[in-house]
Amino acid sequence: AQSVTQLGSHVSVSEGALVLLRCNYSSSVPPYLFWYVQYPNQGLQLLLKYTSAATLVKGINGFEAEFKKSETSFHLTKPSAHMSDAAEYFCAVSDSSFQKLVFGTGTRLLVSP
Amino acid sequence: DAGVIQSPRHEVTEMGQEVTLRCKPISGHNSLFWYRQTMMRGLELLIYFNNNVPIDDSGMPEDRFSAKMPNASFSTLKIQPSEPRDSAVYFCASSTELINFQGYTFGSGTRLTVV
Repeated sequence: AQSVTQLGSHVSVSEGALVLLRCNYSSSVPPYLFWYVQYPNQGLQLLLKYTSAATLVKGINGFEAEFKKSETSFHLTKPSAHMSDAAEYFCAVSDSSFQKLVFGTGTRLLVSP
Repeated sequence: DAGVIQSPRHEVTEMGQEVTLRCKPISGHNSLFWYRQTMMRGLELLIYFNNNVPIDDSGMPEDRFSAKMPNASFSTLKIQPSEPRDSAVYFCASSTELINFQGYTFGSGTRLTVV
């Protein structure tokens, strides 16, 4: 069965610092992988997705993620954090039917001035 | 496209009352998902429909919860009777795999408070 592990329930960075949110997946088939962001009191919003095209995927707000099959990873990065990036981030992998997503437990990103 | 529309945005009800949450998926999407989010348990999948048919309801906590999808443009999640432990944010999401699965689109959620 497909699964996702997000390392670190909380990540703290200073404004302007590199953001790195980790996601490792387990999948029996070539996966589709997603990152979602949830701002306070809002729903989840698609940040970026990997659907078997380019392994380096660029998303909104300057975020990107790289699919590494050998490491079964799909880490999310941003070169320079902004205060507005403070939110919860969820990694997700499609199940084998490609109808349903399996979500990680989320990582809360805290950005300090 | 108006996105996934959920109503109401906020609901406060007394214990024992019936609560109905509503969702309108994106037109053309053929899968619909109901999630519950709490601080303690995070994001939980309650039930999902494909082509209006319930496919997996193993996440529905108990018989007090029921969900229907009478047509492709509307779904409800009902709790009867409601209890304080049902207080949470309930999200609806829709998707389609008919043209290359692109993930879900989430609604803004319904914040339910049972007092």
